[in-house]
Amino acid sequence: KQEVTQIPAALSVPEGENLVLNCSFTDSAIYNLQWFRQDPGKGLTSLLLIQSSQREQTSGRLNASLDKSSGRSTLYIAASQPGDSATYLCAVEDSNYQLIWGAGTKLIIKP
Amino acid sequence: ETGVTQSPTHLIKTRGQQVTLRCSSQSGHNTVSWYQQALGQGPQFIFQYYREEENGRGNFPPRFSGLQFPNYSSELNVNALELDDSALYLCASSAGAWTEAFFGQGTRLTVV
Repeated sequence: KQEVTQIPAALSVPEGENLVLNCSFTDSAIYNLQWFRQDPGKGLTSLLLIQSSQREQTSGRLNASLDKSSGRSTLYIAASQPGDSATYLCAVEDSNYQLIWGAGTKLIIKP
Repeated sequence: ETGVTQSPTHLIKTRGQQVTLRCSSQSGHNTVSWYQQALGQGPQFIFQYYREEENGRGNFPPRFSGLQFPNYSSELNVNALELDDSALYLCASSAGAWTEAFFGQGTRLTVV
């Protein structure tokens, strides 16, 4: 059974710092991995999608990497801003068409 | 902002009642998935519809059912509501399985 873990559960850093969020999964038989952002009480915003054949994806200040063999993905955020404060979730998609999610990392960027 | 819209945004129901949640998918998307998210947890997959057929189902009882219409919009129906059904219900649309999923803002269901 696929399990997705995100560490740390919460992170607080000063504005301007670069930071890394971690996601690990137990079964490497995934089709893709997605990173999402969720603001309090809101829906999910897709940030980056990495197909299983890819190693990384970049969008603006965000860079996500995928190492299927070790069951790990990282989301790198450069030059963090207070507007980046949110919960970040990763999810892997399996052969049954479902996204399996981590519990998220709550990120606070202090001005 | 995605083109996925959900209604209503908030809902309060009494235990034992039935509820219908609605989702309009993004233009050009033929696949809709539904998720339940309890407070402080990641979403849990309920089911997926592809071209009006159920295409996969998570570990939810049969009182959770759904429909997809010819325009690819979708409904989630929950019968015999229980207190534990209180959660944020999220709808995602995509252009098919294993493609990028775009989410609506969710429906917050409270069962009292």
